[in-house]
Formats: sequence, C-alpha cells, structure tokens
Amino acid sequence: EAGVAQSPRYKIIEKRQSVAFWCNPISGHATLYWYQQILGQGPKLLIQFQNNGVVDDSQLPKDRFSAERLKGVDSTLKIQPAKLEDSAVYLCASRRPGTGTYEQYFGPGTRLTVT
Amino acid sequence: DQQVKQNSPSLSVQEGRISILNCDYTNSMFDYFLWYKKYPAEGPTFLISISSIKDKNEDGRFTVFLNKSAKHLSLHIVPSQPGDSAVYFCAASGRSSNDYKLSFGAGTTVTVRA
Repeated sequence: EAGVAQSPRYKIIEKRQSVAFWCNPISGHATLYWYQQILGQGPKLLIQFQNNGVVDDSQLPKDRFSAERLKGVDSTLKIQPAKLEDSAVYLCASRRPGTGTYEQYFGPGTRLTVT
Repeated sequence: DQQVKQNSPSLSVQEGRISILNCDYTNSMFDYFLWYKKYPAEGPTFLISISSIKDKNEDGRFTVFLNKSAKHLSLHIVPSQPGDSAVYFCAASGRSSNDYKLSFGAGTTVTVRA
C-alpha cells in the first residue's frame, strides 16, 4: 500500500510571495488533515477534510491560507501572501474513517522557508 | 493552549538501557493516547497507543503506561537501540470528538549512545 505522498519536499520563497503544497492520501482514506509543524513544536492541525467537505478549519489563518480537496482525493494547501512566521514543515495525514481507530498516516512533509 | 505537554525536550540514553519518555495532558475529555516516532526529513509514524480503559499496553520493546488520575502517560523503550534515536511525539484525542482529531505535544528527542 502506497503511503501519503507530498510535494514539493522543500520550498524557499520570499515574504509576500505565494506557495502551494500538494498531498495525495492513502487510497481509500476519506479523511485528510493538514498540519503545520514549527521547529521545536508538535504538529498543529490547520484543516481537516472528510471526502471533499471541510470538517474543521478553525485553526486555519483564512486571511492568507486556503485549502481544497475538490474530488475528495488529492488536496492542495496554499499560502498567499507568505510571512516569515509561516516557515515550518507542512504535513499531510490521512485516516480511514469507520475503523474506530485514531491512527493517522503522515506524509514526509514539505519544508517551507520564507526569507 | 497546550493541552498535551512533553516537558523534556531531549533524552540521552546508553544502548541497551531503558528510555522513559513522559507526557502530561490537561483536557479531561481525552481518552485515547498515541505515540509517534519521527526521523529527520520523514513524517511521523505511529508507534503505539492506549485507550483510557487500560493502564498499560505493550508491543515488543515498547510499553505505554497511563495514569488517568494524574493525567500522565509514559513510554518505556527496553532495551534502547541506536535505531530508536528519533523525535517522539505524544498525541491525545477525545472519544467525544467524532472527527478523531489529535493534539500533539512538542516532542522529545531521544539519542541512543552506542
């Protein structure tokens, strides 16, 4: 079974530029999460999808961050415009609902550096 | 606010000895707990979990202990091996949360010395 795929793995941009991250979850995993992990901290949930619907985006800075999962499979996370404090690793995770388990499967992440 | 706390940022242990990682939580609604392991440039991978109906769960060299009254859990690794050198995250969730969201601690970096 293929794992969660993310691209790009690394991205360096200047502040005020825009950037987009892509995630392909494990096949059959209807639940998809985007996390932000700042150096020295644990992953912080930004947004959760169930199929193509948003379950929770309460921690997403909506003035600059947006995310979509149009067909209920792949997802993109966008930042526009980026700020210095957005430098972090952006992790995508997926989970198969209906299993009663809490385990989420993570991709390798995208390391974003904003200069 | 930080609902899951790992107060030790790092731990160094001799190969073959026991590693003990600690985690505290503040939300009394949490009833399921997980430990994830993360190598550099990789995503976190699930290690072991425990439900609040248990106080211990064991999987090979890894054992998680839960003390609900103290809102404390710990991960024991016995014996520690060089491949165990990684960052370990504690995570928690509440059964009342139908969306199975996880709250993570800040992580503990474990270094196993040969």
